[in-house]
Amino acid sequence: GIQVEQSPPDLILQEGANSTLRCNFSDSVNNLQWFHQNPWGQLINLFYIPSGTKQNGRLSATTVATERYSLLYISSSQTTDSGVYFCAVDSGTSYGKLTFGQGTILTVHP
Amino acid sequence: EAGVAQSPRYKIIEKRQSVAFWCNPISGHATLYWYQQILGQGPKLLIQFQNNGVVDDSQLPKDRFSAERLKGVDSTLKIQPAKLEDSAVYLCASSFFPTEPTHEQFFGPGTRLTVL
Repeated sequence: GIQVEQSPPDLILQEGANSTLRCNFSDSVNNLQWFHQNPWGQLINLFYIPSGTKQNGRLSATTVATERYSLLYISSSQTTDSGVYFCAVDSGTSYGKLTFGQGTILTVHP
Repeated sequence: EAGVAQSPRYKIIEKRQSVAFWCNPISGHATLYWYQQILGQGPKLLIQFQNNGVVDDSQLPKDRFSAERLKGVDSTLKIQPAKLEDSAVYLCASSFFPTEPTHEQFFGPGTRLTVL
């Protein structure tokens, strides 16, 4: 099946810093989603981005499907950005099933 | 628009007991998914329904896990008997048909199961 690798596994920032999270995947995809899992375990949708670039406030994402990677940018980080960020993909043969990466644990200090 | 609803939010049981989780998807979403998330890992698909039919249950431990979506709306996931390694968060998600141009999945708050 498709492999999804996220980097870095852990990231510690001071409030106000910028960061880039990366997601590499091993096959073509129909769907790519970025999620933020908050301390209560809720998965919050950030982006649905199988290709191209999207922006939502301080967050933006870019997926280069031909090169099999996606990037999540967080600018001017806040303590509320802390949590685990997951990339998940639906490959061409999986018909909806999302395969998740291992996540990036982000900690933002005040 | 209401999100995906799940209950209970927390459950603690002894090993070998049985437990059931309930999920109500977003209205109009034909596809429903159950995922298992073990601490420190990403969620892993257990079973996928389209309307009331099973699309993928290849990762469901069928000797102890069962799931149904009888009327094509809400769904129940059952574990009987539970093992210690079943301790995890069980997440329900829903989406439009995967063949739709946009089939973004939305997740419920999850049920945190602890097996003692």
